[in-house]
Amino acid sequence: AQSVAQPEDQVNVAEGNPLTVKCTYSVSGNPYLFWYVQYPNRGLQFLLKYITGDNLVKGSYGFEAEFNKSQTSFHLKKPSALVSDSALYFCAVRDSFASGGSYIPTFGRGTSLIVHP
Amino acid sequence: GAVVSQHPSRVICKSGTSVKIECRSLDFQATTMFWYRQFPKQSLMLMATSNEGSKATYEQGVEKDKFLINHASLTLSTLTVTSAHPEDSSFYICSAGLGGSVLETQYFGPGTRLLVL
Repeated sequence: AQSVAQPEDQVNVAEGNPLTVKCTYSVSGNPYLFWYVQYPNRGLQFLLKYITGDNLVKGSYGFEAEFNKSQTSFHLKKPSALVSDSALYFCAVRDSFASGGSYIPTFGRGTSLIVHP
Repeated sequence: GAVVSQHPSRVICKSGTSVKIECRSLDFQATTMFWYRQFPKQSLMLMATSNEGSKATYEQGVEKDKFLINHASLTLSTLTVTSAHPEDSSFYICSAGLGGSVLETQYFGPGTRLLVL
């Protein structure tokens, strides 16, 4: 079984400060991990994914995420937040195909990021 | 690349009528499309997986006769909400898979907001 947790409903950060949005996961095999962003009344936009390779993944809009196998985490980060980054962020995970897992990702409940001017 | 469109973006209908929502992959062929429902401030709820040329696979608790899904081509899937009622009011989002099933990234449409009066 696969599951993902986003422990924070909301994250507040001042513009210019670094931001972190947390995500932890549970899978039977190897994880495929994704981050998406959703702006109000819009669909989700793909930010980045981790399949294999370097633990630090760089994505769109200056975001990056670090895969930590020992802590089963995939936290989303950005060195300097912008007011326009304010949105709803979703983490998703799916088990690796080799482990016989579902190819359909499981989404977290989302974290609202609010960046204050 | 990897653009997914949805039409209409917003629809208001009377109780008892049927509403059709279209999901198109504009610049790629998608053998698999997904339909989600999202309630306010909640995560995505997967309703069904739509495969081109075959019957959709519905998640547990989703009425297949209520939510008709047709995936007639590699670029188009439709969701028809039959005999809509106010409790069907929600934000419906489709997504299309890009790549093989092992490395699949989902690209989401902008969503359709349905309001049933």
